[in-house]
Amino acid sequence: AAGVIQSPRHLIKEKRETATLKCYPIPRHDTVYWYQQGPGQDPQFLISFYEKMQSDKGSIPDRFSAQQFSDYHSELNMSSLELGDSALYFCASSLRRGQGGQYFGPGTRLLVL
Amino acid sequence: KQEVTQIPAALSVPEGENLVLNCSFTDSAIYNLQWFRQDPGKGLTSLLLIQSSQREQTSGRLNASLDKSSGRSTLYIAASQPGDSATYLCAAPGGGGADGLTFGKGTHLIIQP
Repeated sequence: AAGVIQSPRHLIKEKRETATLKCYPIPRHDTVYWYQQGPGQDPQFLISFYEKMQSDKGSIPDRFSAQQFSDYHSELNMSSLELGDSALYFCASSLRRGQGGQYFGPGTRLLVL
Repeated sequence: KQEVTQIPAALSVPEGENLVLNCSFTDSAIYNLQWFRQDPGKGLTSLLLIQSSQREQTSGRLNASLDKSSGRSTLYIAASQPGDSATYLCAAPGGGGADGLTFGKGTHLIIQP
């Protein structure tokens, strides 16, 4: 079965640089979520999109933005990167805003130097 | 705001034992609850999804129960195996119809051969 695809899988950036993470949901899933997992931490919800509109917002910094496109893929844009942004970034997708459960991609490991 | 607590934080047992992992949540207005497995540095694998209308869900040696009224869920692992060693995370949607999942801090499970 097709799963959530994330790219890139690994990313190294310098402080104050920008990064763009991409997420391709499971086919026919209409909702996309972004989570951040710091070292030794549980995943923290950042933001979600349903039918290309923002549906919920969590602890996403103002330096980050995201959007969902007409083909349902999503991008997380991160600017003015800080050392503390080093983390695993997960994308998840679901049908009908999570009523069928959320299914996670393999994650993008971001390292900010 | 949803809060999820998992007990115990860590567990180490010899293989073959039956295990119970506990999860409690503060906002019972949830439409489902999920249990995930995470191996070190890896992604989140969905193990079981329990809808709010269900009391339990089973997959192989795993059984999860949900009691919304008391704000509790348990994950039962039968006949544990060394390959079950991982961190098990419980996650519930935020209160008030929020989409994002709130995760517990997980139970770190080690099954000794």
